[in-house]
Amino acid sequence: EVQLVQSGAEVKKPGESLKISCKGSGYNFTIYWIAWVRQMPGKGLEWMGIIYPGDSGTRYSPSFQGQVTISADKSISTAFLQWSSLKASDTAMYYCVKQLRYYDSSNSDCWGQGTLVTVSS
Amino acid sequence: QSALTQPASVSGSPGQSITISCTGTSSDVGGYNYVSWYQQHPGKVPKLMIYDVSNRPSGVSNRFSGSKSGNTASLTISGLQAEDEADYYCSSFTSSSTRVFGTGTKVTVL
Repeated sequence: EVQLVQSGAEVKKPGESLKISCKGSGYNFTIYWIAWVRQMPGKGLEWMGIIYPGDSGTRYSPSFQGQVTISADKSISTAFLQWSSLKASDTAMYYCVKQLRYYDSSNSDCWGQGTLVTVSS
Repeated sequence: QSALTQPASVSGSPGQSITISCTGTSSDVGGYNYVSWYQQHPGKVPKLMIYDVSNRPSGVSNRFSGSKSGNTASLTISGLQAEDEADYYCSSFTSSSTRVFGTGTKVTVL
């Protein structure tokens, strides 16, 4: 069964760093893109960026460029989303999404269950 | 890179058809046939309903259909059912080789 399993909920203070994960199973992790999507409380979906685990090539939305880092370790079939200094406005649910194509969804898409990040002093 | 524009809400009675619009520019919706639509029930993970403007993933009801004209894409739900009540988001590829979501539409079944 194809699955993306994300790391658990996090509660952090402003200024702290964080790295959340998304582990793929049931498919060849290196040939599918992994996108990250943010959903702030009560708000809509926002596309953050995408990585190709095969060569770690990444693309970022201009809104998130420089604010987060997307990476992947193909040896453990895991993608990561990290912050060096969290802000309260980073409080959101974060989803990872497996995609065959970087430019659009397809029949083979799969979403992770989401990771809730809460940043509060 | 601005979010694509969707109506905040659309409503209809059971059995009726409704259409949700998604307006962008020639740099996103109008420039590529790479528009997707997602359904999200409260507290749930989004679900892909349409990709490549008008293709349905396996398992998605044929009551859902997509189309595009110029810079505006549309999702039509025919034979509206109570279970269709949810939030809907469009998404498009952009000329920056990234993707952008729409502002989201709340569908209410009266």
